[in-house]
Amino acid sequence: QVQLVQSGAEVKKPGASVKVSCKASGYTFTSHSIQWVRQAPGQSLEWMGWINAGNGNTKYSQRFQDRVTFTMDTSASTAYMELSSLRSEDTAVFYCARDQWPHFDFWGQGTLVTVSS
Amino acid sequence: QSVLTQPPAVSGAPGQRVTISCTGSSSNIGVGHGVHWYQHLPGTAPKLLIFANSNRPSGVPDRFSGSKSGTSASLAITGLQAEDEADYYCQSYDNNLSGWVFGGGTKLTVL
Repeated sequence: QVQLVQSGAEVKKPGASVKVSCKASGYTFTSHSIQWVRQAPGQSLEWMGWINAGNGNTKYSQRFQDRVTFTMDTSASTAYMELSSLRSEDTAVFYCARDQWPHFDFWGQGTLVTVSS
Repeated sequence: QSVLTQPPAVSGAPGQRVTISCTGSSSNIGVGHGVHWYQHLPGTAPKLLIFANSNRPSGVPDRFSGSKSGTSASLAITGLQAEDEADYYCQSYDNNLSGWVFGGGTKLTVL
């Protein structure tokens, strides 16, 4: 069965970076893009962008494009999301999801990132 | 302010029918992009409920159904059960933003 398992919760100081991993199993990793979604406390879901797991191409939401980087390790079937210059407003749960254009069919369990001095 | 507009909350008694609306615009739902619905229990992975307006993934009960008309879409849940209590989000693609957009989410309470 398809599973996306994300790394554990992180606590970071303002100005730092965080890197969240998303390990896929149950399907051919390179056949689907991985999407990233943020959910701040009490807020809705917010799309951050995607990485094409077949060729590494990326697309970032304008809101995040100057601070976020998506990478992957196909040998480990793992995608990564790195967010830099963290501020308190970045405190959120970050989700990865498998792209099944035009929707997202399987999601990771989420990674809570807390930004606090 | 979400691009897609949903009611913040709906409620219903067990066995009843509820609907959740999702209103977009001519750059997303109105231009023909499909609407997808997700069920989310806080602390868990969101679950795909309906894709491409009205299609259910395998394993999703037929109590859940979706429809779309013009710039809006709806999710209907019949035979409400206590386990349906969750947050529901609609999603579509937006041409102006060149990316996916979500509704603000609707909290369903089963009375």
